[in-house]
Amino acid sequence: AQRVTQPEKLLSVFKGAPVELKCNYSYSGSPELFWYVQYSRQRLQLLLRHISRESIKGFTADLNKGETSFHLKKPFAQEEDSAMYYCALRAAGNKLTFGGGTRVLVKP
Amino acid sequence: KAGVTQTPRYLIKTRGQQVTLSCSPISGHRSVSWYQQTPGQGLQFLFEYFSETQRNKGNFPGRFSGRQFSNSRSEMNVSTLELGDSALYLCASSLAVQETQYFGPGTRLLVL
Repeated sequence: AQRVTQPEKLLSVFKGAPVELKCNYSYSGSPELFWYVQYSRQRLQLLLRHISRESIKGFTADLNKGETSFHLKKPFAQEEDSAMYYCALRAAGNKLTFGGGTRVLVKP
Repeated sequence: KAGVTQTPRYLIKTRGQQVTLSCSPISGHRSVSWYQQTPGQGLQFLFEYFSETQRNKGNFPGRFSGRQFSNSRSEMNVSTLELGDSALYLCASSLAVQETQYFGPGTRLLVL
């Protein structure tokens, strides 16, 4: 069975500071990893996926198979980054297994 | 393209009743998945449909069921509602399996 863990429920940072959201997973095969974001009063949307290896809104994430982690990073947080972030794993089909989510609050 | 739409957006039911939620995927998308979101359990997978066939089912009791129509629209049904079924039910669609999923706004169900 697969499992996704986001150890921080809340991350509070100042504008311009770096931010790192942790995500660890357990799965015996080769999963696909995603980060989804939910801004206030908006629907859940894809932020990035590990296979695309692209940077979206300044965020990057690297899949570390040895540590089974997929941490999300941004060097300089902006106020508009305040949102709920979910790490998710897809093992087969379209089933996504989500972590518990991390609320990011960027203070001015 | 219009996004994923879900109806109704809000629903209040009482224990023991049954409810049907509807999801219209993005035009051209053939895969629909359903998730339940609660403060305690987070986002949990309910089921996944592709071309009218259920491909995968989450760990939910048989009171939760779903189906997909030939136009890819999907419905989920919850019978004999319990207080614990109060949640935000999210639908997501994708072109096919293993493609990016796009989420709808959700249906918020309150069971009294």
